[in-house]
Amino acid sequence: DQQVKQNSPSLSVQEGRISILNCDYTNSMFDYFLWYKKYPAEGPTFLISISSIKDKNEDGRFTVFLNKSAKHLSLHIVPSQPGDSAVYFCAASATGGTSYGKLTFGQGTILTVHP
Amino acid sequence: DAMVIQNPRYQVTQFGKPVTLSCSQTLNHNVMYWYQQKSSQAPKLLFHYYDKDFNNEADTPDNFQSRRPNTSFCFLDIRSPGLGDAAMYLCATRDLGLMGEQFFGPGTRLTVL
Repeated sequence: DQQVKQNSPSLSVQEGRISILNCDYTNSMFDYFLWYKKYPAEGPTFLISISSIKDKNEDGRFTVFLNKSAKHLSLHIVPSQPGDSAVYFCAASATGGTSYGKLTFGQGTILTVHP
Repeated sequence: DAMVIQNPRYQVTQFGKPVTLSCSQTLNHNVMYWYQQKSSQAPKLLFHYYDKDFNNEADTPDNFQSRRPNTSFCFLDIRSPGLGDAAMYLCATRDLGLMGEQFFGPGTRLTVL
């Protein structure tokens, strides 16, 4: 039972254009969402997060949108750069109780930005 | 720089031969996690420590054990590795007092022959 899904295994975008990565979740207890970026032979690095009390969070070229009613979030990268080429993981957490910040990850989307 | 370090980066073991993977952190975070990631799959949480309090995921096989002798170090022991245990093993840390992200190490790629 996959509680966090990234249905697009890969995405190819031209440099300078917008990249949109999507993520769906099923567990209504999730209230904190994160995006991680992973280069080959490295661990995931944190990119941006959003709490369920917000519907948008922006950090430079990266914006995350949350639609709680649809249980959907998306990451927008504008403008996309070749250095953004990596695997992007969506992750979700239920911050209450004794979860200890446990994250549930999606399978990842490989983003390729062409010069 | 404060960081999460994993050793070794690449580990080769034989079927059934015990292996230990190591993780250390300089962040002084109170929670440490171990994830298993197989190719093209989501990282899967195996267990985590909150200080010395060990928390096992329900579906983590008994073949996997962990030790946390102090705040800085955490070990993953695979008692009898099978071919299906070949994967990337990721260690992560987090300060539970803050709303925030987990910090990941670079991972250990385990090969089982």
